Amino acid sequence: KAGVTQTPRYLIKTRGQQVTLSCSPISGHRSVSWYQQTPGQGLQFLFEYFSETQRNKGNFPGRFSGRQFSNSRSEMNVSTLELGDSALYLCASSPATSGRPGVGELFFGEGSRLTVL
Amino acid sequence: SQQGEEDPQALSIQEGENATMNCSYKTSINNLQWYRQNSGRGLVHLILIRSNEREKHSGRLRVTLDTSKKSSSLLITASRAADTASYFCATEPLRYSTLTFGKGTMLLVSP
Repeated sequence: KAGVTQTPRYLIKTRGQQVTLSCSPISGHRSVSWYQQTPGQGLQFLFEYFSETQRNKGNFPGRFSGRQFSNSRSEMNVSTLELGDSALYLCASSPATSGRPGVGELFFGEGSRLTVL
Repeated sequence: SQQGEEDPQALSIQEGENATMNCSYKTSINNLQWYRQNSGRGLVHLILIRSNEREKHSGRLRVTLDTSKKSSSLLITASRAADTASYFCATEPLRYSTLTFGKGTMLLVSP
């Protein structure tokens, strides 16, 4: 099975711009989670999608949004970029089911490294 | 917010030695997991221990869980240079379908 694929791997934006990151989960995985990783704050949970529905959301401003498509692929968008949004954005999928809450083991992609200038 | 806190923040050992990392957390959990991250890469799942388990082994890894103390430890035996990485504990709270990660322990294994 192919692993979790994130695109693009690297990108540079300027303040005020917006960015869209893409994540293709492992085939058959219906849950996709997004995390932001920075040296100062570590891994911060952004949101989790399951079967096209946002099931959980972290404590990030509304500039951060996401969605999941019927094929379980997910995108996250950050609008009006700020310098502090520079980070490694990690996507992870899991074989979570609707019958039991919880994501269990996460399978991570290599991340999208965003630099905001 | 960080649920898990790893200790120590950094650990430097020689090849062949054992490495022990600890994790403390605050709320009741369904399970606790350990992940490894090589510099700037994605995280790799190492082991999951459920709240009703006390110890689990996987190859050179041994994980313990003490729910009364809300703590866990990860032991890597006979460390190798390839074990050099950051190690994170992650907890799945009882009521939420998400994992909360600690800030990690940076392990350096020197040949």
